[in-house]
Amino acid sequence: DTGVSQDPRHKITKRGQNVTFRCDPISEHNRLYWYRQTLGQGPEFLTYFQNEAQLEKSRLLSDRFSAERPKGSFSTLEIQRTEQGDSAMYLCASSPRKTGDHNEQFFGPGTRLTVL
Amino acid sequence: GQNIDQPTEMTATEGAIVQINCTYQTSGFNGLFWYQQHAGEAPTFLSYNVLDGLEEKGRFSSFLSRSKGYSYLLLKELQMKDSASYLCAVRPISGGYNKLIFGAGTRLAVHP
Repeated sequence: DTGVSQDPRHKITKRGQNVTFRCDPISEHNRLYWYRQTLGQGPEFLTYFQNEAQLEKSRLLSDRFSAERPKGSFSTLEIQRTEQGDSAMYLCASSPRKTGDHNEQFFGPGTRLTVL
Repeated sequence: GQNIDQPTEMTATEGAIVQINCTYQTSGFNGLFWYQQHAGEAPTFLSYNVLDGLEEKGRFSSFLSRSKGYSYLLLKELQMKDSASYLCAVRPISGGYNKLIFGAGTRLAVHP
């Protein structure tokens, strides 16, 4: 297992189209996170899964955004009716089950979305 | 609310030492992380502090003062490959280990 993977790496779409991104976390990491990053900014938290349960959603995640993790392994993030303001890098991260106060998050390479 | 401040850009010379500061205000605190991010790549973990003091890891050290809401990342013996953005991130106490709140990052340019 070489780390968190995301697919596709790049996506160009027209305004109004729907897009779906996939994230495969590190094996046996039960925690999975989605972030969005725009140029010159740090990642902004979108949502968090523990196993298959979506436990937290940011107010940034409008009703056009939906995320799933149906079997507690890979996750998908769907954006419906895309807008130009959705153009960003979408990062997925995972962290292990272990207790303790470290719980480093491991990030994937991201999916760069461009909405024309 | 949450607020994290760090300088936008810094420059330094190869072989030198640079200190990147981060100040934060959060509604609760459960640890501070530093990540490195090269252009177009994923952030990679550098260091973690939850107690006051200095954590050293090779050429990189990170310091935390919880009472002052302040941290710094110290990079020694700078190399050209250290040119990257350095992200300070705080884990708020609410909701468990569910998210990191990131600063905008400090873009470091190392020149010969």
